[in-house]
Amino acid sequence: AQKVTQAQTEISVVEKEDVTLDCVYETRDTTYYLFWYKQPPSGELVFLIRRNSFDEQNEISGRYSWNFQKSTSSFNFTITASQVVDSAVYFCALSETSYTGANSKLTFGKGITLSVRP
Amino acid sequence: NAGVTQTPKFRVLKTGQSMTLLCAQDMNHEYMYWYRQDPGMGLRLIHYSVGEGTTAKGEVPDGYNVSRLKKQNFLLGLESAAPSQTSVYFCASSYPPLAGPFNEQFFGPGTRLTVL
Repeated sequence: AQKVTQAQTEISVVEKEDVTLDCVYETRDTTYYLFWYKQPPSGELVFLIRRNSFDEQNEISGRYSWNFQKSTSSFNFTITASQVVDSAVYFCALSETSYTGANSKLTFGKGITLSVRP
Repeated sequence: NAGVTQTPKFRVLKTGQSMTLLCAQDMNHEYMYWYRQDPGMGLRLIHYSVGEGTTAKGEVPDGYNVSRLKKQNFLLGLESAAPSQTSVYFCASSYPPLAGPFNEQFFGPGTRLTVL
């Protein structure tokens, strides 16, 4: 069974600090996708990134960067120079990929609440 | 292009009442999903559908039924609401996983349901 663990439940930082959100996953699949979603206080879920299991390159998008390490089954998310607008709940998720008509389900972690103080 | 929409946005029910939540998507996605979000629990999959006319159970299906009569719509029904079903419900849709780089799930804005 798939599992996603976000051990940090709440993180509070001061604006401009860097912060890393941890995600550890378990799966028996050899092909899978990992995702990060952001849920701001308004409640909607915003897709941030998708990474497939064959691509271990780190990715950077502006102030956001992601570190995928298959050896440790981790997919960590770093926000550089955090801003108040980054305050949100962040979810890591894992997707099965085998196409047997019953897949593409996302297993979510429990989320990390990030508060960025001015 | 509205994406994924959910109706209603808020609802209060009494124990034992029934209701249907409607999800609609205009992206021609094959897959659709219903999740519930509870504090400290993340999102948990209730039911999902891999195509028109098909449905399957997710992680927490008890007390819910679904139907996918049209490709663009996915309905979630509560036949006899219970206080334990108080939650925020999210609908999502996606292409099949082997569609390559376009398989992320797109989420609706959520429905906040309270059962008294």
